[in-house]
Amino acid sequence: SQQGEEDPQALSIQEGENATMNCSYKTSINNLQWYRQNSGRGLVHLILIRSNEREKHSGRLRVTLDTSKKSSSLLITASRAADTASYFCATDPKETSGSRLTFGEGTQLTVNP
Amino acid sequence: DARVTQTPRHKVTEMGQEVTMRCQPILGHNTVFWYRQTMMQGLELLAYFRNRAPLDDSGMPKDRFSAEMPDATLATLKIQPSEPRDSAVYFCASGPHWAGDYGYTFGSGTRLTVV
Repeated sequence: SQQGEEDPQALSIQEGENATMNCSYKTSINNLQWYRQNSGRGLVHLILIRSNEREKHSGRLRVTLDTSKKSSSLLITASRAADTASYFCATDPKETSGSRLTFGEGTQLTVNP
Repeated sequence: DARVTQTPRHKVTEMGQEVTMRCQPILGHNTVFWYRQTMMQGLELLAYFRNRAPLDDSGMPKDRFSAEMPDATLATLKIQPSEPRDSAVYFCASGPHWAGDYGYTFGSGTRLTVV
């Protein structure tokens, strides 16, 4: 079963708008990561946030983490058509001895030109 | 840019045949994952290795699947015999020690179709 669940499953916006995707998870984590997948391609790591961090920025990406609610959000500001892709959150659970990433089902983002 | 190389990119095979997928992790990465992606199940972790030793292969059907790292530059995932339900995209990912601090690098995947 998937550890993370993304919300919404699909999101369609206009270029220039902001896109917000949410992720909920079930167990305690070491960190939470966000990945992007373009159609027919592999996953690309975007950003990682540790369990003791609350917010992190990278370019147009902003990630927040609320460990009390077991949730995270990914904000993409000033979206571009090239941001069209599926976005996945992945959790590194605390109970495992190593880094054992478990992925959610993803949010399909479409940015219309 | 360093990349994880997977071969073949596409494979069509008949039910019952053996399938071997290969992955060359990034040089210096000591953690390697195998994932399977389908529309119905999403991304499932099949197995992962650290320093070539299998740490967890609980997600892998043991009766037909096997994963090995014969050396640090090669990871293999074998299915014998293959079944139509094995049709999926299989991804390999690698990372350095404590890559949990930095994230992992994925290959482009092997798209397997079993007919």
